[in-house]
Amino acid sequence: DSGVTQTPKHLITATGQRVTLRCSPRSGDLSVYWYQQSLDQGLQFLIQYYNGEERAKGNILERFSAQQFPDLHSELNLSSLELGDSALYFCASSVDGGTALAKNIQYFGAGTRLSVL
Amino acid sequence: DAKTTQPPSMDCAEGRAANLPCNHSTISGNEYVYWYRQIHSQGPQYIIHGLKNNETNEMASLIITEDRKSSTLILPHATLRDTAVYYCIVRVARTYKYIFGTGTRLKVLA
Repeated sequence: DSGVTQTPKHLITATGQRVTLRCSPRSGDLSVYWYQQSLDQGLQFLIQYYNGEERAKGNILERFSAQQFPDLHSELNLSSLELGDSALYFCASSVDGGTALAKNIQYFGAGTRLSVL
Repeated sequence: DAKTTQPPSMDCAEGRAANLPCNHSTISGNEYVYWYRQIHSQGPQYIIHGLKNNETNEMASLIITEDRKSSTLILPHATLRDTAVYYCIVRVARTYKYIFGTGTRLKVLA
């Protein structure tokens, strides 16, 4: 158990809908990362938050948004869903992440499997 | 952008050492190399990281070349439970972005 909690584990929805994925980081971790993994693909970095502020953005679509709350949990919002958004979405957390040169071990949650029908 | 290159797949006999290479020729001087593995569709699991020196922990050893352009993850006595996709990742210089490549699918054979 990594200590990172993601809910829900599975989500089935229809095209055009909006969903929210939730992530609770490990106790004490200030950084949260979101990744997308499509079928048989590697992990694509979406976005990072550090202590409530956006720190880095990857290949995140404009239909997707995220935030990190004062209690450090994070939510990833996916809207106007398309079939191609079906994927595993992972959240990771780390203690560091506030300094670009610091070592930064990320601990991953079990993921949310999103199916868009 | 920082990029890692790994062979797409490897086989290893159970009980033998598995050596997984990674090329990260664009790594900048102060960035760490991290190794993770993903078993089936579970969340990636941290294995080891290194900067310049070779590293060893209870899971694996990491050998980094002197020029830091490549590294090798060594699982000294592979077991069937080590069958997974192994990723080496680096951070894009001067950013907070991490790049996961497509990884190496290691199959440990009985």
